[in-house]
Amino acid sequence: GAGVSQSPSNKVTEKGKDVELRCDPISGHTALYWYRQSLGQGLEFLIYFQGNSAPDKSGLPSDRFSAERTGGSVSTLTIQRTQQEDSAVYLCASSLAFSSYNEQFFGPGTRLTVL
Amino acid sequence: DQQVKQNSPSLSVQEGRISILNCDYTNSMFDYFLWYKKYPAEGPTFLISISSIKDKNEDGRFTVFLNKSAKHLSLHIVPSQPGDSAVYFCAAKGGAQKLVFGQGTRLTINP
Repeated sequence: GAGVSQSPSNKVTEKGKDVELRCDPISGHTALYWYRQSLGQGLEFLIYFQGNSAPDKSGLPSDRFSAERTGGSVSTLTIQRTQQEDSAVYLCASSLAFSSYNEQFFGPGTRLTVL
Repeated sequence: DQQVKQNSPSLSVQEGRISILNCDYTNSMFDYFLWYKKYPAEGPTFLISISSIKDKNEDGRFTVFLNKSAKHLSLHIVPSQPGDSAVYFCAAKGGAQKLVFGQGTRLTINP
């Protein structure tokens, strides 16, 4: 069965450029999450989507970061004017309907390197 | 403000022995705790969880213990196997859906 997929797996960009990271959640999962893991750090929550509700953007580190989820499925995380501190592994996860106890399934991540 | 802390960045255990990974948290609103395992170049995979109404949950070789008064949880793996070598993340949630993760502990099982 298909798990969470992310693309690209690796992205190298120059400082100041914009990047888009894509996430395909597990079919039927209505909740989608973005996290990032910087070098030597734990996973840091960025944003999550649940159905048609307004997303929880409380973890986005700056207004250069934005995300959208089209048709309740695929999500794109966009980072504008990238900075070197944006270098990290960006992880997407999905889960079944809104519930405290639903396990989140993670994709393999996108490793972003900003030169 | 690190709400979930894993104070040991690494742990080395002999094959067949018990591995004990520890996690501390500060937010008393957390009511559900999870352990994830991560291999290099892969996303974290769910291992085991525990609700705050319990103090122990067991699944095969894996047992999670929760001490609410101490705001501490631990993951026991027994017996440890070479395939258990990975980074283990403790995570917590309470109310909101987002998971708050610790920094991870790299477990190495030596043959």
